[in-house]
Parts: sequence; C-alpha cells; structure tokens
Amino acid sequence: DIQMTQSPSTLSASVGDRVTITCRASQSISSWLAWYQQKPGKAPKVLMYKASSLESGVPSNFSGSGSGTEFTLTISSLQPDDFATYYCQQYLTFPYTFGQGTKLEIK
Amino acid sequence: EVQLVESGGGLIQPGGSLRLSCAASGFTVRSNYMNWLRQAPGKGLEWVSVIYSTGSTYYADSMKGRFTISRDNSKNTLYLQMNSLRAEDTAVYYCARGSSSYYWYFDLWGRGTLVTVSS
Repeated sequence: DIQMTQSPSTLSASVGDRVTITCRASQSISSWLAWYQQKPGKAPKVLMYKASSLESGVPSNFSGSGSGTEFTLTISSLQPDDFATYYCQQYLTFPYTFGQGTKLEIK
Repeated sequence: EVQLVESGGGLIQPGGSLRLSCAASGFTVRSNYMNWLRQAPGKGLEWVSVIYSTGSTYYADSMKGRFTISRDNSKNTLYLQMNSLRAEDTAVYYCARGSSSYYWYFDLWGRGTLVTVSS
C-alpha cells in the first residue's frame, strides 16, 4: 500500500496568515493527489485534485503544488472558516490512502 | 439537488451483521464509481470499497470476505453489507462518488452514518 504522511499534525495560525501543509507519498504517485477539508461532525469536502487543480467553488486562496512524492497545500490568507482538519489522498492505485490529517487551529 | 444520504447505522454486537444504505439524488449511481469510506472516532479516513459502473467491485484487504458492496439501480441506492463485525469496525461510514475521470477522487460525500460495534 502507498503510505501518505502529512506534516505538521497540528498547526496553530492566525486569521490572515499564510500556511503550508506538506504531504509525502511512500512512492511516486505522479500528480494523482487530492486535498480535503473536514470540519467537526461533517463530511470531508474536496479542495484540490490532480495536485494543483482547484475544485469548482473552492476559494482561490487555496492552492496546491507538487508531483511524484512531495506535495503541498497552501492557504494564502487564512479566513475564520478555514480552521479545520486537512487530509491528502492518493488516487493512483488501490487501496486509495489518506494522510493522517493536519489540524489547523486558531492561535 | 445532487446529494448522498446514508442510513442504516446503529449499535450492533460483535459478530453481527448490518446493511448500510446510501440514497443518491441528482445523478445516477449506476453511471459512477461509488464508494464507501469510514472514519473511526477521532481517527483519519479509510477507503473501504468501490463499485464501478461495470459492476466490478474492489475492497480494502481488511474488509475482503466480510463486506459486500452493491447497488439497486431502480432505487438509485448504494449498499454495504457488513458481516462478522468487530469492535475495530466502529466508525462513521460515508458513501462517496468518484469523479468522472480515469483517475478519480471523491468529489461528493454523504453526511455519514455511525456504526458502533459493542457488546
């Protein structure tokens, strides 16, 4: 199975900050990576797909980059609604696997 | 409105069986990659199973032989039959649609249904 590792596990930041979350795959997944946002008690919501493509309706302060084994999700200017847990997921091969999550907290 | 609504969760004893349902609206289940995923309390996300438009099915190794994914096209509904349930199967179970592409991600999720396996 492809292992996905996110860092950091927890991130404290303030409204207006620029933050970056890193995701590493245990083997190359080309650009077949998605990012999801999850709020407590809610289903995940896709933000990015194919590493750097913004899902329709997602604010443009989200961006993604990377290929191969290293990827990043950047939020350029944190809004109050952005405090949540973020997951990366590879969809190159079964079983599709997720990172362990990064909890973005208000500082 | 395009949405997925899961049902069928609850408290079940170890070794028991449960069938989850996922009713789709606004699109057809039979034409899409339809999945089940789960999330144990306080934990991350785990993919469980998929059924393709062709009817082909795939499972995560820990669910093979115990879980069965299926669909009823006339009801536009996805199912997950879970047998021989264990405490470690306790989780919120989500159904999710795969995006329409060769390599697909999960572009639509239901709100989930909680399954608790406990005596």
